[in-house]
Amino acid sequence: QVQLVQSGAEVKRPGSSVKVSCKASGGTFTGYTVTWVRQAPGQGLEWMGRINPLFGTSNYALVLKGRVSFSADETTTTAYMELTSLGAEDTAVYFCATEAKAVTIVNHRYFDTWGQGTLVTVST
Amino acid sequence: QSVLTQPPSVSGAPGQRVTISCTGNNSNIGSPYDVHWYQQFPGTAPRLLIFGNTNRPSGVPDRFSGSKSGTSASLAITGLQAEDEADYYCQSYDNRLGGFVFGPGTKVTVL
Repeated sequence: QVQLVQSGAEVKRPGSSVKVSCKASGGTFTGYTVTWVRQAPGQGLEWMGRINPLFGTSNYALVLKGRVSFSADETTTTAYMELTSLGAEDTAVYFCATEAKAVTIVNHRYFDTWGQGTLVTVST
Repeated sequence: QSVLTQPPSVSGAPGQRVTISCTGNNSNIGSPYDVHWYQQFPGTAPRLLIFGNTNRPSGVPDRFSGSKSGTSASLAITGLQAEDEADYYCQSYDNRLGGFVFGPGTKVTVL
């Protein structure tokens, strides 16, 4: 079973960008799709989008489209999430997770392995 | 504002049964897309609790069960234990939004 290890906490200025990494250990990304979820302080989970590392294809949540991008490097088994034009509302813990690859119909998928989370704080 | 609704909180005494509802519409749960449930303790990542409406991953106690009917789903915890005090989230897919969606979460308190 693959494990996901994320990069450390970040403090960013408003208007800047952040890039969070998510490394798969004990396995590869082969056959997996990586989804990104964030959680603002004291709030619920918000799905941000997903990337298929094998094909490099991504889907983005409508509310974030244009500000978020995903990438992946299969040689280092690492996925990345970059969020631009940061505002205070982007202060959150960002999680990566793998979608259950045994579920062939994408719309029925769930997230079975999660990274530990990366706190991104946007502050002056 | 999520397209899935959950009660903000539920509570019960140890040993009791509690249920958490997750209500959607015909663009998500009623489409019909599967509903999944996650358990989250403060400061930790969510943990998959129920997948495919009714299935438990290995290691999840059988006091947790899921069901689904129409545009709603439910998570039941029977024989409530102190260690079940956590936040619980439902998740599905929404074809109007074109992506996955979570419910707002329900805090379970053990009295």
